[in-house]
Amino acid sequence: DIQMTQSPSSLSASIGDRVTITCQASQDIGKHLNWYQQKPGKAPRVLVYDASNLGTGVPSRFSGTGSATYFTLTINSLQPEDIATYYCQQYDHLPQVTFGPGTKVDI
Amino acid sequence: QVQLVQSGAEVQKPGDSVMLYCKASGYTFTDHYVHWVRQAPGQGLEWMGWINPNTGDTKYPQKFQDRVTMTRDTSVSTVYMDMSSLRSDDTAVYFCARIYRDDYADTYYFDQWGQGTLVTVSS
Repeated sequence: DIQMTQSPSSLSASIGDRVTITCQASQDIGKHLNWYQQKPGKAPRVLVYDASNLGTGVPSRFSGTGSATYFTLTINSLQPEDIATYYCQQYDHLPQVTFGPGTKVDI
Repeated sequence: QVQLVQSGAEVQKPGDSVMLYCKASGYTFTDHYVHWVRQAPGQGLEWMGWINPNTGDTKYPQKFQDRVTMTRDTSVSTVYMDMSSLRSDDTAVYFCARIYRDDYADTYYFDQWGQGTLVTVSS
């Protein structure tokens, strides 16, 4: 099975900061990597799919890069509404999918 | 608009079973796989499997193969998840989620989620 790791597990930043979260896969998954944002008490929402494509309605301050085993999600100019937990998810080995453990972003 | 509406909160005893539902609307039910994902209190997301609403085919990770059964009723655009032999560590919010899939573009992501159902397992 593919294992996903994320770092850091949590971070605290200031409004306007640039924030970068990393996700690593235990084996090559190409670009088969999605990022989700989850706010407390809510369902997750897709931010980035296929490693670098922004989901519908996602602000342009979010961006995703990477391939193979190393991926990053960057928030340029952190906003108060970005307080959430962020998860990566791989789908290279369908029919199974795997989520990363999450990164909690605080201000 | 596309919606997935889930059943209400449940309280069950250890050893019991629970059946949750996820009712779809706003799209062609048989066009999109539906997955279930759970989240224990303060924990991350855990994938539980999927059902193809068109064929009824299912896939579960090994962890849940013996305890989870997903079914669907196309006449009411609803997916069901039955979980048996409940334990206290099954206490979690259970989400259903629709997959957007484009084989030509090699794309596969959860584009719509239900609101979640809290299942509490306690004696």
